[in-house]
Amino acid sequence: QQQVKQSPQSLIVQKGGISIINCAYENTAFDYFPWYQQFPGKGPALLIAIRPDVSEKKEGRFTISFNKSAKQFSLHIMDSQPGDSATYFCAAIQSGSARQLTFGSGTQLTVLP
Amino acid sequence: GAVVSQHPSWVICKSGTSVKIECRSLDFQATTMFWYRQFPKQSLMLMATSNEGSKATYEQGVEKDKFLINHASLTLSTLTVTSAHPEDSSFYICSARDPGREQFFGPGTRLTVL
Repeated sequence: QQQVKQSPQSLIVQKGGISIINCAYENTAFDYFPWYQQFPGKGPALLIAIRPDVSEKKEGRFTISFNKSAKQFSLHIMDSQPGDSATYFCAAIQSGSARQLTFGSGTQLTVLP
Repeated sequence: GAVVSQHPSWVICKSGTSVKIECRSLDFQATTMFWYRQFPKQSLMLMATSNEGSKATYEQGVEKDKFLINHASLTLSTLTVTSAHPEDSSFYICSARDPGREQFFGPGTRLTVL
């Protein structure tokens, strides 16, 4: 059962454009939503994260929009650069002691120069 | 952010041998470490959750006798792939949770079993 659905699977954007990746979840026990960036052959790196009591969080060119009622959240990359080309994973953490990450399926982003 | 290292970064071994992968939190103490497996162009699949000083909790479908996990200290967890076979070839990634409850990932280990 895929608890966090991510789309699109792949995305091609021109340099300077806006990249948008969407995720949806069903489990209302999730209380923390991080996004990870992964380059080929490397481990994921935390990019930005949000809690459900906040509708938007911005860090530099990266913004998370969160819609609690719709159980959806998205990552916006403004002024996309070729160096942003990577795979992006949304994730969710359920409240409780284990705090395990549930990952989305990933989006391969390519930013054309 | 906190730093997590893995060793080795890549390993090639013959079928039937065992391989040990180390995961270290370099600048914080991690009471919990996680081991993931990732196939090409796929998401990370959680294999097990490792708590210092106790037995690891394995996800459904992960053979605990094949993937031995030891979390001997607050900064070190090891994953041993026993009697490795070609189908065990994958990218293995660990993560460690810091006291602030954020998870930081290691750089991964590429295992190739011939």
